[in-house]
Formats: sequence, C-alpha cells, structure tokens
Amino acid sequence: DGGITQSPKYLFRKEGQNVTLSCEQNLNHDAMYWYRQDPGQGLRLIYYSQIVNDFQKGDIAEGYSVSREKKESFPLTVTSAQKNPTAFYLCASSIRKGAHEQFFGPGTRLTVL
Amino acid sequence: DQQVKQNSPSLSVQEGRISILNCDYTNSMFDYFLWYKKYPAEGPTFLISISSIKDKNEDGRFTVFLNKSAKHLSLHIVPSQPGDSAVYFCAASVGSFGNEKLTFGTGTRLTIIP
Repeated sequence: DGGITQSPKYLFRKEGQNVTLSCEQNLNHDAMYWYRQDPGQGLRLIYYSQIVNDFQKGDIAEGYSVSREKKESFPLTVTSAQKNPTAFYLCASSIRKGAHEQFFGPGTRLTVL
Repeated sequence: DQQVKQNSPSLSVQEGRISILNCDYTNSMFDYFLWYKKYPAEGPTFLISISSIKDKNEDGRFTVFLNKSAKHLSLHIVPSQPGDSAVYFCAASVGSFGNEKLTFGTGTRLTIIP
C-alpha cells in the first residue's frame, strides 16, 4: 500500500528540548511539505522540498529545520527556538514539481510541557 | 493577511439536503483551487479541484463552482450524508511557474444531521 507515514501519532516533550518528527513516503513523489495546524486556523506551510538535497522555507519556518537526504524521507526538527511548538503537524507530498494535488499523512500531535 | 477565507466556521445541514461551502480569495494570481476534507486527528484528504480555466467541475456528489470575477468558489455536496461530517478546507495555488505552494483557508466544520 502506497502512502505517507508519520510517526509517532502523539509526542510529548519538555520545553527547551529539540524534537524530530518523522515523515516517510513510498509514493515515489518528488515534492514533500510540512504544515502546522492550530485550532481554528488553516494549515500553514513550514518548509517544502521539491527535490532531494534541496528545500525552501515556507511561511512560518522560524524555529524549525528540515533535511531531504533521501527522496522518501523529509524529517522536521522542532527546535527550542520555536516559541509555540504545541500543534498538529502534517506532512504531505506531491508527485512532482508542477503538480497541485498534495497527499497528506495522518499527522503528529506534538505537545510541549 | 488571509489570502483564502472561509467565513463560515461551521454549517449544519439535514441529511439528504444540499450542503454549500463557500470560499473567497484575494490573490488574483491563484489559478488552481482544491477542496480537502479532514476528520479529527487525521490528515486532510483531497476531494475535488478546479483550474481557473473552468467554472465548474463535478465528481459524483461533489461539485465545485468558480466565479473568477467575484474571486469566489463553492463546494456543493448533494445529497449530504452523515459521513460528510468533517472539516472542509479550500486551498489555492499559483502554479504557472512551478511554485505550487498551497494556501489554505481556515476551514468550515460541516455537520450532517440525521
């Protein structure tokens, strides 16, 4: 079954700790994205990558970092510099640069205590 | 600056009737629009899309209408079913030059009343 997996589904961390969220896809998609959803808000783009070893900042990149060493993997690190890290994080992919439709993973809810 | 707006945070519709979800946008460069459906604690799933060269696209019970002059799109679901109860997001992109970032609205929670 092809799809996008995010793990874990729920994650708890102490304030001041960095944490890395996993995103893996076996759809052979070139492009991958990270979004954040907060209550009552739409999805906001954190980072995106159109191709391996390349990524771009989205609208709210401060306090986050990413890497794209493999086509199927796009991990997101939430650093201690992120002021309000508690949120629902969604990873998505699209087949190629130029494709509009994005496919989403199940999400990870991060709670910072 | 919210470039994609869904002004109704919630909507309740009787089962079997038509559900109409609305979305407005301000950026005239948007040329592709999508609707996603989201259940709690899950990722959004793609429903239907429309290119700016069309004014209507239909897929089964779902139809999206685009009014470019009014910068308005709507999603019609008919007949509405209990499984349609979810949050619906509209999204827009500027796709002509390979920059396919999606800009999302804030969502409308649709509740179908049995």
